[in-house]
Amino acid sequence: EAGVAQSPRYKIIEKRQSVAFWCNPISGHATLYWYQQILGQGPKLLIQFQNNGVVDDSQLPKDRFSAERLKGVDSTLKIQPAKLEDSAVYLCASSRHQGLAGSNEQFFGPGTRLTVL
Amino acid sequence: DQQVKQNSPSLSVQEGRISILNCDYTNSMFDYFLWYKKYPAEGPTFLISISSIKDKNEDGRFTVFLNKSAKHLSLHIVPSQPGDSAVYFCAASEWTDKLIFGTGTRLQVFP
Repeated sequence: EAGVAQSPRYKIIEKRQSVAFWCNPISGHATLYWYQQILGQGPKLLIQFQNNGVVDDSQLPKDRFSAERLKGVDSTLKIQPAKLEDSAVYLCASSRHQGLAGSNEQFFGPGTRLTVL
Repeated sequence: DQQVKQNSPSLSVQEGRISILNCDYTNSMFDYFLWYKKYPAEGPTFLISISSIKDKNEDGRFTVFLNKSAKHLSLHIVPSQPGDSAVYFCAASEWTDKLIFGTGTRLQVFP
């Protein structure tokens, strides 16, 4: 079974520029998550999709971050305009369904490391 | 507000010995706890978990202990192997699949 795919793996941009990340979840997984991991911290959930609907985006900075999962499969996360504090690893994860953590393992992709100069 | 804390940023253990990684939490409503392992340039992978109705869960060399009264859990690795060298994240959830992660502990197992 192929894992969660993410691209690009690395991205360097200047502040105020825009950037987009792509995620392809494990086939058949209905739930998709985007996390932000700042250096020295644990992953923080930005947004969760169930199929193509948003379940939780309470920690997504909506003035500059947006995400979509139009066909319920692939997803893109966009930052526009980027700030220095957006430098982080952006992780995508997927799970078979939405449910309690005990019955719903999340599988993570390798992440995209973003550096904002 | 850091609801899940891993106060030791790093741990160094000799091969064959026991590794003990600790995690504290503040939210008494957390009902499920997980440990993830992360190698460089890879995403975290699930290692072991425990429900709040248990105080111990074991899987091979890995055992997780939960002390609800102290709001503390620990991961024991016995015996430690060089391949266990990685960053370990503790995570917790409150009746949902939303995970709150700790800051991680870097484990180094040396020969």
